[in-house]
Amino acid sequence: NAGVTQTPKFQVLKTGQSMTLQCAQDMNHEYMSWYRQDPGMGLRLIHYSVGAGITDQGEVPNGYNVSRSTTEDFPLRLLSAAPSQTSVYFCASSYSTSGLATDTQYFGPGTRLTVL
Amino acid sequence: AQSVAQPEDQVNVAEGNPLTVKCTYSVSGNPYLFWYVQYPNRGLQFLLKYITGDNLVKGSYGFEAEFNKSQTSFHLKKPSALVSDSALYFCAALAGNMLTFGGGTRLMVKP
Repeated sequence: NAGVTQTPKFQVLKTGQSMTLQCAQDMNHEYMSWYRQDPGMGLRLIHYSVGAGITDQGEVPNGYNVSRSTTEDFPLRLLSAAPSQTSVYFCASSYSTSGLATDTQYFGPGTRLTVL
Repeated sequence: AQSVAQPEDQVNVAEGNPLTVKCTYSVSGNPYLFWYVQYPNRGLQFLLKYITGDNLVKGSYGFEAEFNKSQTSFHLKKPSALVSDSALYFCAALAGNMLTFGGGTRLMVKP
């Protein structure tokens, strides 16, 4: 199993540009999530999904959109990038029970995004 | 709102000595608690978790953590530190579908 994969590993954007960060998992996990990691602030939840067609906001959702059309994929979209979105982005997945994430989350290797 | 605190930005310990990385949480209900480790330029790796049961949880690489409900703490421990344990450690609490992380503690183990 490849686990959780993310592309690209690095990306530089100009303010106002759009892009999609890709995330895929091959463990048949229902729950998937996106986090951003900033120095001294740990990881903060952006959006999550408990299954195909179901998404919800996390702690810091503004400026980001998500969709979940398949169990395997959970892309994160930045519609108009801002310098404040410079960060390292991690995708994670886990099993869930009755629509709740109840188990260990497995993380991808991350995408380092710089917005100029 | 739930929160997780790691009061120490950095912990320094000599190789072979015991180590403790502190974590306290504020979560309604009965949280699931986790410790993750991050090596440079890598994603997070799972170390251990507390769901229910025995308050002392054993995990990977000789680490263990003690759940204390009255003190709302979940400190990470290891009896004998290795230089290779040097990394960034995160405590996290899962309640509902929200996993909340502490700010992280950098562990430095010196030879």
